[in-house]
Amino acid sequence: AQSVSQHNHHVILSEAASLELGCNYSYGGTVNLFWYVQYPGQHLQLLLKYFSGDPLVKGIKGFEAEFIKSKFSFNLRKPSVQWSDTAEYFCAVNTGGFKTIFGAGTRLFVKA
Amino acid sequence: DADVTQTPRNRITKTGKRIMLECSQTKGHDRMYWYRQDPGLGLRLIYYSFDVKDINKGEISDGYSVSRQAQAKFSLSLESAIPNQTALYFCATSEPGTSRGKEQFFGPGTRLTVL
Repeated sequence: AQSVSQHNHHVILSEAASLELGCNYSYGGTVNLFWYVQYPGQHLQLLLKYFSGDPLVKGIKGFEAEFIKSKFSFNLRKPSVQWSDTAEYFCAVNTGGFKTIFGAGTRLFVKA
Repeated sequence: DADVTQTPRNRITKTGKRIMLECSQTKGHDRMYWYRQDPGLGLRLIYYSFDVKDINKGEISDGYSVSRQAQAKFSLSLESAIPNQTALYFCATSEPGTSRGKEQFFGPGTRLTVL
């Protein structure tokens, strides 16, 4: 069955630290990939997405993600986190059709 | 005004009660979805609808039903609520056409507690 795995359930960082959140999926065909963010008390919103082309995609608020097809990965990165990045981050994969599969989420807490 | 709204935002109910969660959108999207979010499990799809006449079960539809009253409205019902349906429920929409690559737009969520 298709699945999305996020390796870290909880991450605690200090401000200015670098961030990398792992995401792996299980599907051998063409995929579209997303990272969503849920700030405390808010609804999910799109951070970035990959359809095709350059495997390094840039999103809002300084986030980027790299699609590595050979590793079935789509890791999220940010060079220097801020306290305001405290949120839950969800990786999601669409393999065609109308169903998008979400990972379990990673809760990030950034210490000021 | 928010593009995707959900009512109520919070609800506490008792086992066996019938509950309806409502979702409205002003984005003009054909596709609408209901998810539940549980800690450590992420979002799981309950039902989705391509248009008013097309409704499909998701991965965890047991114990739930839906109604697509109009393009803009998609309601989720728990006919007889049970405690393990305590969760955060999200409605989402996406653009028409093929869904591959389409961003979903989420409502603010409804926190449901079943005692």
